[in-house]
Amino acid sequence: DVKVTQSSRYLVKRTGEKVFLECVQDMDHENMFWYRQDPGLGLRLIYFSYDVKMKEKGDIPEGYSVSREKKERFSLILESASTNQTSMYLCASSSDRDSSNYGYTFGSGTRLTVV
Amino acid sequence: QQQVKQSPQSLIVQKGGISIINCAYENTAFDYFPWYQQFPGKGPALLIAIRPDVSEKKEGRFTISFNKSAKQFSLHIMDSQPGDSATYFCAASIEGYGGSQGNLIFGKGTKLSVKP
Repeated sequence: DVKVTQSSRYLVKRTGEKVFLECVQDMDHENMFWYRQDPGLGLRLIYFSYDVKMKEKGDIPEGYSVSREKKERFSLILESASTNQTSMYLCASSSDRDSSNYGYTFGSGTRLTVV
Repeated sequence: QQQVKQSPQSLIVQKGGISIINCAYENTAFDYFPWYQQFPGKGPALLIAIRPDVSEKKEGRFTISFNKSAKQFSLHIMDSQPGDSATYFCAASIEGYGGSQGNLIFGKGTKLSVKP
């Protein structure tokens, strides 16, 4: 069963800490994404990557950075966590949109609380 | 500017009824329209998708209806069951928009509750 695995389901961090959220996919997908999900706001794109070493800003990149050193792994970094970054974080991957099985596969999410 | 507007925000349907969720989009160039289903504690999962060369696609009890001229598409769930209770997201994309691959632009979601 193909999947996207996020390393933590729940995290509690203190304000100012550097936080790493890890995501691994086993589908050999080229594209990977980080979203945050908040009630009433839906899914908002933070960063995405179409290839190893490549990254692009999404709609809300402020306060975040990413790393993609290997094709299967995409990490989200909160340089200095703040309480307004308390949220559900979702990682997703996809093949190229021309492929017959195109679609996003999401992980189960990491619920981050910053205190 | 919200590219994909989804309604209603929440929906309560009796078991056996029809659930209808609507989405309207602005960019006429969008060429891929998926629906995702999310259960509590899980990530969204692709439910069904349509491209604008057809007006309707059906998979089991789930149907997408697509109206290109009105720039609208909707999800119909026939014979709704309590197990269908979830949050549903519509989305749209076009190659080159939001990224060279055409990242999905999501609606804000509809929380569906099916009462037994």
